[in-house]
Amino acid sequence: AQSVAQPEDQVNVAEGNPLTVKCTYSVSGNPYLFWYVQYPNRGLQFLLKYITGDNLVKGSYGFEAEFNKSQTSFHLKKPSALVSDSALYFCAVRAFRGYQKVTFGTGTKLQVIP
Amino acid sequence: DAEITQSPRHKITETGRQVTLACHQTWNHNNMFWYRQDLGHGLRLIHYSYGVQDTNKGEVSDGYSVSRSNTEDLPLTLESAASSQTSVYFCASSQDRDSYEQYFGPGTRLTVT
Repeated sequence: AQSVAQPEDQVNVAEGNPLTVKCTYSVSGNPYLFWYVQYPNRGLQFLLKYITGDNLVKGSYGFEAEFNKSQTSFHLKKPSALVSDSALYFCAVRAFRGYQKVTFGTGTKLQVIP
Repeated sequence: DAEITQSPRHKITETGRQVTLACHQTWNHNNMFWYRQDLGHGLRLIHYSYGVQDTNKGEVSDGYSVSRSNTEDLPLTLESAASSQTSVYFCASSQDRDSYEQYFGPGTRLTVT
């Protein structure tokens, strides 16, 4: 069965500092990987995805993520955090082959401190 | 602009009552999904549909049902609401291939008393 782990319930970072939100996954074969962001009282919004190709994926709002196959990780990064980045972030995975649906992680709350 | 809407946004109901949550999308997507979001569990898939007249169970489908009579709508019905079904419910849609990202509605907060 496929799974996603977001090991940190909350990440605190000072405004202007780089941020990293961690995600590791387990699937059979190659993965599709996604990051979503959720602001309070809103639905999830798509940030970026890895399907194939370059391991560094760039997405919305200056976010990027690096796919590392050997470590089965897909960490979300941003060079300089903004207070407005404070939100709940979800990693999601789906196996490239088969009939599994997308599996979401439990979410990481990012708090950017002014 | 295309969008996905959910109604009602908030609902309080009593144990044992039937409740239907609406989901409507104007993306013309064939794939539609229902999730529930609970603290510590993230999002869990309830039901999904790949097209009209197609519905499938997700990982937490007990006590829920869906029907798909057109492309735009996928209503979620709680046959007999239970307190364990108190949650925030999200509807989502995506293009045909599973490599595509999902578009989420704003959510429905359901409280079962």
